[in-house]
Amino acid sequence: DVKVTQSSRYLVKRTGEKVFLECVQDMDHENMFWYRQDPGLGLRLIYFSYDVKMKEKGDIPEGYSVSREKKERFSLILESASTNQTSMYLCAGGTGSFGTEAFFGQGTRLTVV
Amino acid sequence: GENVEQHPSTLSVQEGDSAVIKCTYSDSASNYFPWYKQELGKRPQLIIDIRSNVGEKKDQRIAVTLNKTAKHFSLHITETQPEDSAVYFCAASKKDTGRRALTFGSGTRLQVQP
Repeated sequence: DVKVTQSSRYLVKRTGEKVFLECVQDMDHENMFWYRQDPGLGLRLIYFSYDVKMKEKGDIPEGYSVSREKKERFSLILESASTNQTSMYLCAGGTGSFGTEAFFGQGTRLTVV
Repeated sequence: GENVEQHPSTLSVQEGDSAVIKCTYSDSASNYFPWYKQELGKRPQLIIDIRSNVGEKKDQRIAVTLNKTAKHFSLHITETQPEDSAVYFCAASKKDTGRRALTFGSGTRLQVQP
C-alpha cells in the first residue's frame, strides 16, 4: 500500500514565524507536489519537484519555498507566515510517467494567528 | 497556463438517482483527465481517469466522458448511494517536461439523500 505521510495533521503558528511542513513518500516516485486546498478554490499547486534538488513553481508560489534533498522527502517552507496562509496543505507523490495517479498525504491544517 | 472550471459547486440527489458533474479546460494540449473523490476529513483519491484518445470510460457505476472539441469532460454516477457523498474534483494535465502536475477544478460537494 503506497504511503505519503505529512509530519503534522494540525499546526498553529504565529504571524512572522518560519514554518516547515514535511512530507515523506515510500513509493520511490520521482514527482512530488505541494497543493493548497481552500473552500471554493479547489486544490492549487504551490510547487512541485521531479527530481532530487529540482523544483518548479506552481500557480501560487509567492510566500513559499521548497526543499528536496532526498528523493523521498519534500518540504514546504513558509518563510514568514501570514494569516492569509491559513489553509489545508496537501502533499502528493507520483511517478515520472505521464498520466499516472497522484497519491496524496492526509493533509496539514495550518492556522496562522 | 491551464484553467479548469467545474460545475456545479454543490449537488444534492436522492439515493438511486444519477449525478453529473461537468468540467471545462482551457489548454487544448491537455490530454489526461482524472477525477478524485475526497470524503470528509480524508485525502483525495483517484476514482477514474481518461486520456484524450478515448471518448468514454466506465467502471461499474462511474463513467467519464470527454469531448476534446468542446474541451469538456464529465463524471456520471448512476444509482447513487449514501457512501457516494463526498467532494469530487476534476483535473487536467498534459505531457510536458516543464509541467508534470495536475490542475484541479474547484470541486463539487455531492450529497446523496437516503
